Amino acid sequence: SQQGEEDPQALSIQEGENATMNCSYKTSINNLQWYRQNSGRGLVHLILIRSNEREKHSGRLRVTLDTSKKSSSLLITASRAADTASYFCATDDSGGYNKLIFGAGTRLAVHP
Amino acid sequence: GAGVSQTPSNKVTEKGKYVELRCDPISGHTALYWYRQSLGQGPEFLIYFQGTGAADDSGLPNDRFFAVRPEGSVSTLKIQRTERGDSAVYLCASSLTPIGNEQFFGPGTRLTVL
Repeated sequence: SQQGEEDPQALSIQEGENATMNCSYKTSINNLQWYRQNSGRGLVHLILIRSNEREKHSGRLRVTLDTSKKSSSLLITASRAADTASYFCATDDSGGYNKLIFGAGTRLAVHP
Repeated sequence: GAGVSQTPSNKVTEKGKYVELRCDPISGHTALYWYRQSLGQGPEFLIYFQGTGAADDSGLPNDRFFAVRPEGSVSTLKIQRTERGDSAVYLCASSLTPIGNEQFFGPGTRLTVL
């Protein structure tokens, strides 16, 4: 079963615009991670935010976490065509060994 | 350094056959995970190894699926009597330690059962 749900399922924007993707989850977590996947193959880790953190930045990426609402958002600023991919949030199993539970993902298309 | 590698990249087999999928994690990573991803879905957890032992195999769908990691490095996922519903991308990931660290994923093996 999947814990996370990403919203929207698909997003289409123009280069230079910002893209915001949201993730909701159901149970307590230790941390939440965002991954990118191109062409349905290997996932690339983008950012990890711990349960005691509220916001984190990495380059053009900004992630927020609201544990009271059990939700997170990923913002990609000044998007590029190369950002076209599927984006997944993944929460860990708070049992402590980092078993990841993924949502269904958001498919982002950035048009030149 | 090298990332997680998986072989083969693609595997086509017939219903009822046996298949083995291999994962070579990043050197020194003690934790190894197998996930399965169906089309249009996120990856789903199958099994987790800490060292040589399977610490959690709760995600394996049934007893046709089995995985080993005999020397605490390379892992093999074994599927007996394959069924068409087993068709998916099988992803392997490793992390330095199992707690609170990012997982590094391999490129996956796309399994197609005809």
